[in-house]
Amino acid sequence: DTAVSQTPKYLVTQMGNDKSIKCEQNLGHDTMYWYKQDSKKFLKIMFSYNNKELIINETVPNRFSPKSPDKAHLNLHINSLELGDSAVYFCASSQGWGNQPQHFGDGTRLSIL
Amino acid sequence: EDQVTQSPEALRLQEGESSSLNCSYTVSGLRGLFWYRQDPGKGPEFLFTLYSAGEEKEKERLKATLTKKESFLHITAPKPEDSATYLCAVQGTQGGSEKLVFGKGTKLTVNP
Repeated sequence: DTAVSQTPKYLVTQMGNDKSIKCEQNLGHDTMYWYKQDSKKFLKIMFSYNNKELIINETVPNRFSPKSPDKAHLNLHINSLELGDSAVYFCASSQGWGNQPQHFGDGTRLSIL
Repeated sequence: EDQVTQSPEALRLQEGESSSLNCSYTVSGLRGLFWYRQDPGKGPEFLFTLYSAGEEKEKERLKATLTKKESFLHITAPKPEDSATYLCAVQGTQGGSEKLVFGKGTKLTVNP
């Protein structure tokens, strides 16, 4: 009964490839997020969707494109992967926005060769 | 810009040795301060939300407190299973209020 699940858990690919990461939550939440955790373990917001509408878009290269087919899913597509994209990507969800706690998946470790 | 600084970066304790972790923050209107625990290879696990200065919350051996400039996570008589990285995050009231700004965390190791 995983609350926020991401696939795949590990992703190893070559520079220049295009890849997608999928996220699903079964908590009934209406807001979902993508975070990036770099090698220094610093966790930083990338995107947020509320009811399938983009509400946060931090300074992220346009090679990264989130897509939310419904409230329970938020996928992340990355074009033309670069070495600097290597990181752990976390999906999270919350009920509404404001000061509600966000619940995280276990991350997707992306390694670029 | 909202900022969070956590100290120390790493803390090693003996089992039963109580201590505190610090989270200093600057934010343009605090909507909430959050504490998370992160185990290796896992996502952050929600612990507490604090909303206003003077507020305290407890869970087992953990107690979180909040002032206008900082929050403390007090760990009483820790056990080895408390070993993890503890993350602090703030949510402000201006622009992108859904956004959490995280500190770099404190890695806690509790030796038996």
